[in-house]
Amino acid sequence: EAQVTQNPRYLITVTGKKLTVTCSQNMNHEYMSWYRQDPGLGLRQIYYSMNVEVTDKGDVPEGYKVSRKEKRNFPLILESPSPNQTSLYFCASSLKGQAGGPGHEQYFGPGTRLTVT
Amino acid sequence: LAKTTQPISMDSYEGQEVNITCSHNNIATNDYITWYQQFPSQGPRFIIQGYKTKVTNEVASLFIPADRKSSTLSLPRVSLSDTAVYYCLVGVRGGYQKVTFGTGTKLQVIP
Repeated sequence: EAQVTQNPRYLITVTGKKLTVTCSQNMNHEYMSWYRQDPGLGLRQIYYSMNVEVTDKGDVPEGYKVSRKEKRNFPLILESPSPNQTSLYFCASSLKGQAGGPGHEQYFGPGTRLTVT
Repeated sequence: LAKTTQPISMDSYEGQEVNITCSHNNIATNDYITWYQQFPSQGPRFIIQGYKTKVTNEVASLFIPADRKSSTLSLPRVSLSDTAVYYCLVGVRGGYQKVTFGTGTKLQVIP
């Protein structure tokens, strides 16, 4: 089954404790992206990756790191989480590297609900 | 950057047709218009995409006038399960890599 998976689905952690949220897709997609969703603010892009070893900042990259060593995986790293990073996180992928036009529609993972106390 | 404007929320009764309009005055020549649907605590799901005139699939129709400065997502005979947030996306920013979703339109279907 074609899908984007994220782990963990739920995570409660404390300020400053490094964590990684994994994302994996089995569709051989070039483009992968991380979003966070907060009430009243909609979906905001954190980082994206056009392909292996090619990543760039989205709208809200502060406090996050990513890496793309393999095409299928795009982990999100919080080196020193803070309470303002409490949010619902989504990973997404699309076939092509440009987010517009046929083949560019994004497929989203189920989400990771992160709470930082 | 093609900024989009959508109504914040809409209510509709079951069985009615719902039209959600998105305004995108600064749409560029190469931009496509894409709509996503999101249920609570789930990731957005692609619904439909178009460039001009009309596109129809098994879920919805998308109407785009000739000037392409707006688009209308049409959901025929909605049911309670269509209660969701609907996002209109147009083009991308900068080097065709960033994506901006906005806050979407929250559709509430009433029995």
